[in-house]
Parts: sequence; C-alpha cells; structure tokens
Amino acid sequence: QVHLVESGGGLVKPGGSLRLSCAASGFNFSDSFMTWIRQAPGKGLEWVSYISNRGTTTYYAESVEGRFTISRDNAKNSLYLQMNNLRAEDTATYYCARNQAVLGVVAASLDSWGQGTLVTGSS
Amino acid sequence: DIQVTQSPSSLSASLGDSVTVTCRASQNISVYLNWYQQRPGKAPKLLIYGASNLQSGAPSRFSGRGSGTDFTLTISSLQPEDFATYYCQQCYSTRTFGQGTKVEVK
Repeated sequence: QVHLVESGGGLVKPGGSLRLSCAASGFNFSDSFMTWIRQAPGKGLEWVSYISNRGTTTYYAESVEGRFTISRDNAKNSLYLQMNNLRAEDTATYYCARNQAVLGVVAASLDSWGQGTLVTGSS
Repeated sequence: DIQVTQSPSSLSASLGDSVTVTCRASQNISVYLNWYQQRPGKAPKLLIYGASNLQSGAPSRFSGRGSGTDFTLTISSLQPEDFATYYCQQCYSTRTFGQGTKVEVK
C-alpha cells in the first residue's frame, strides 16, 4: 500500500526558509516521478514542482522558480522541497504525490497523495 | 500556459441524482485530462485519467468523457460520500488545475 507522509511545515517569516520532506513507502520509490502540489487556505490546487525518478529532470511553476528546489534521496525513499525567500502568498498546505504516466506522458497524473503539511508565511 | 475552466463553480444536488461537471481547456489537449475528488480536510484522490479511464479503486458511478477542449465528469447516482469538490487537471503541457466544482447537498 502506497504511503506518503509529509513533514517540515510551520510558521515562517517572509524572506525565511523551510525544508519540507516526504517519506515514501509501499512502492518502488526510485521508479516513480514525484510532485509537490500546494493549496492555499480555502483555494484550489497548484502544481508546484516535479522531479524525475532519478532526479535528473525537474520542473517548477513560475510562481516558485528560483526560490524553491526539489530533490530526492532514493536510498532514503524521501522527497524534499527546499523553500527559500518565502512570501506570504506561499502560505498553503503542501502535498507530495506520486506521479502516474498517462498515455505515454510522464508525470501526468497524481495517483497517491500524502496528507499534507501546512506552511504559514507571516510576520 | 493552457488554462482549464470548470463549470459550474458549485452545484446543489440530492442523493441519487446524476450530476455533470464540465471542464474546458483553452486549447486542444487531446485526452490529456484528469479528474480528482477532494473531500473536506482530506487530500485529493484521482478518479479519472486520460479523460475517460477509471482509476483503480474509484467507484464505477464516476465516468469521464471528452477530447480536444471539452470534457465532462458525470456521477451517475450521488452517494453521501460524493459531496466534495472536484478538480480537473490537464497534463498536455505545464500542468494546471481547474478552479474546482463544489458538489453540495440540496
């Protein structure tokens, strides 16, 4: 059974940094693309970043490009999101999710999600 | 970026009703469209991928149709656990979600 557990969220001042982690189990982590998605309070979903199974390919939404860095440690079955220069608008619940290919397109859908970790940017 | 617009933003329905949610893409995305369900306080769950393929474990009362720019998600007979928010998401290019459709109890 796929299990994803995020951690590392909390209250951070604008301009500060935070590192989120996602512990994966129940599947072959090193075979899977992984993604971070966020959801601001009461709002919709935003695809933040994804990383290929070996970590050689990454993608970032424009809203976080240059400030966030996604990485993974396949030996530890763990996914990370380093968040720097945080802004108030980064306040959200951050989910990690496993990617599923769709019709040959990698990282196309999200078939398993963690429960999320809340990041609050406030002075 | 390709935009996906859902309608309606919310709807009210009764148990047993058939409900349809629409998603329109700003350009042709073939069948690269997925649907998710999110219950309050919970993480989203994948229901439909590739426009019409039912995800393993999703109930058969959920179905998806469409291609190109227009897509629908239909719930054939609403159950209590179906009152939730539904999101479409395109995977043709830079991944984007629709703004969501909240299905509420009438």
